[in-house]
Amino acid sequence: GESVGLHLPTLSVQEGDNSIINCAYSNSASDYFIWYKQESGKGPQFIIDIRSNMDKRQGQRVTVLLNKTVKHLSLQIAATQPGDSAVYFCAFKGSNYQLIWGAGTKLIIKP
Amino acid sequence: DGGITQSPKYLFRKEGQNVTLSCEQNLNHDAMYWYRQDPGQGLRLIYYSQIVNDFQKGDIAEGYSVSREKKESFPLTVTSAQKNPTAFYLCASSTTGGITNQPQHFGDGTRLSIL
Repeated sequence: GESVGLHLPTLSVQEGDNSIINCAYSNSASDYFIWYKQESGKGPQFIIDIRSNMDKRQGQRVTVLLNKTVKHLSLQIAATQPGDSAVYFCAFKGSNYQLIWGAGTKLIIKP
Repeated sequence: DGGITQSPKYLFRKEGQNVTLSCEQNLNHDAMYWYRQDPGQGLRLIYYSQIVNDFQKGDIAEGYSVSREKKESFPLTVTSAQKNPTAFYLCASSTTGGITNQPQHFGDGTRLSIL
């Protein structure tokens, strides 16, 4: 079945450093990819998305990179702040047009 | 304030009981979704609806039922046939569903536990 891999359960970064969270997806035909942030006890919050006709997309302090050759997706957060502490999920659109989700990476910010 | 409201925040189910989780949106979105989240796992799709009076099973629909009688409402019933219902349930909506590429927006979830 379709899946998301390259799952690092936890990532610790120093406050002020850049964070990079990675995902690998299984469906080379997927045309839509998305990142969410989930804080404890809350629903996922949309961060940024990217379509397969792009390699890179930037938002406020965040950048998503898509490498279709190796089916790899990454989220970069610049100048990580305490408020960035959360679990980050990547997802891609599967063959049934619904999102396939990764297991999430918990981002821990060290003071 | 536009958004998705899930209620209740916490719910307890007794043996053999059906319980219904509420999801209401005022975003005027056509598509709505129900997901289940278990600790340390990604979200798994239970049911989705792309338009009023229509819905489809997701990957783990067994033991669950839904209805979509109004555009803004998509309640989920966890039936007694669902033997392991303890989880965090998330409702989402998007402008459109299916082949279009639109982000889904989520409510703050209902945590269901067994008594």
